[in-house]
Amino acid sequence: GAVVSQHPSWVICKSGTSVKIECRSLDFQATTMFWYRQFPKQSLMLMATSNEGSKATYEQGVEKDKFLINHASLTLSTLTVTSAHPEDSSFYICSALVGGSYNEQFFGPGTRLTVL
Amino acid sequence: AQSVTQLGSHVSVSEGALVLLRCNYSSSVPPYLFWYVQYPNQGLQLLLKYTSAATLVKGINGFEAEFKKSETSFHLTKPSAHMSDAAEYFCAVSEGAGNMLTFGGGTRLMVKP
Repeated sequence: GAVVSQHPSWVICKSGTSVKIECRSLDFQATTMFWYRQFPKQSLMLMATSNEGSKATYEQGVEKDKFLINHASLTLSTLTVTSAHPEDSSFYICSALVGGSYNEQFFGPGTRLTVL
Repeated sequence: AQSVTQLGSHVSVSEGALVLLRCNYSSSVPPYLFWYVQYPNQGLQLLLKYTSAATLVKGINGFEAEFKKSETSFHLTKPSAHMSDAAEYFCAVSEGAGNMLTFGGGTRLMVKP
């Protein structure tokens, strides 16, 4: 199956710093990627839909200026958490949509962000 | 709008017993339905999916699910639980190819020896 990677897998940062998370489709091209957030013992909440070459579409309640998404190529989308605060600590998971497969999303392994 | 409800945030079964994880959905159009499994600190792995073909869908690791339109359900079953099945399971729905997934709250499956 299609493989999606995320980097880093775990990051700890100080409050006020910015953190960039990368999501890569390793063996296929993905025009659409999704970013999810998962709090401990909770479900995944869609943050935004990232389309290659265009602006991301954010879900209601997600601050686009805080969570910057860039999808500059067909294999890479990045999520930058700007001026991170402890409440941003969470598990961030990306997925990539495989074309022609009836909406099958392949998920990355996730990135755990801890903001001190 | 689409939504998913998973009854039971925690399910505990004995090794070798039947596994039944419940999922009910709502959708304004014929849905695509999915079950994913998540092991600790990992991403999601697709178990199986329903995309308007056969109503009984077989997936990996011996799991299967049946789409019942009249009950708006897509329950996940496995005849005999293994210890390695202990994980978090998510049911998800989308309203067409390429559309966003909406996840249920998840069910943590625990398997007792």
